Amino acid sequence: KAGVTQTPRYLIKTRGQQVTLSCSPISGHRSVSWYQQTPGQGLQFLFEYFSETQRNKGNFPGRFSGRQFSNSRSEMNVSTLELGDSALYLCASSWQGALTDTQYFGPGTRLTVL
Amino acid sequence: QKEVEQNSGPLSVPEGAIASLNCTYSDRVSQSFFWYRQYSGKSPELIMSIYSNGDKEDGRFTAQLNKASQYVSLLIRDSQPSDSATYLCAVKRSGGYQKVTFGTGTKLQVIP
Repeated sequence: KAGVTQTPRYLIKTRGQQVTLSCSPISGHRSVSWYQQTPGQGLQFLFEYFSETQRNKGNFPGRFSGRQFSNSRSEMNVSTLELGDSALYLCASSWQGALTDTQYFGPGTRLTVL
Repeated sequence: QKEVEQNSGPLSVPEGAIASLNCTYSDRVSQSFFWYRQYSGKSPELIMSIYSNGDKEDGRFTAQLNKASQYVSLLIRDSQPSDSATYLCAVKRSGGYQKVTFGTGTKLQVIP
């Protein structure tokens, strides 16, 4: 079974621009979560999608948004980029996001904001 | 108080020794606990999950959970240089479909 895939793997943007990141979950997985990882803050939860609906949301500003498609693929968008948005963005999928479901991570997208 | 706390390390152990990684959590309704390993430049990969008080063993790894003390640990026996990585503790609370909260990780260095 193919793992979680994320595109692009690397991205360089300038302040004020916007960016869209894509995630394809493991086949059959319907829950997709997004995380931001920085050296100082660790893994911070952005949001989770299930059946095209945002089910959970972390404490990030409205510049961060996402969506999920009917095939469970998900995208996240960051508008008006700031220098502090430079981070590794990780997507993780699980079957349903239930209590004991295991999350499997993709390789991540490394975003650099100049 | 952080929801999930880990000592950032680095924790240095000699090859062949037991490495002990600790994690405390603040939410008493936490129900699921996970240990992930993350190599530098890579994404996290699951090592073990534990849901009940006590020990759970898988090969060289043992997870220990004490809900009364709000404490979960990971023991790595016969540590190898290839175990050198950052270990992330993750917690999920009960009640519907909840988010997973991660600690900031403990960096483990196994010295040959």
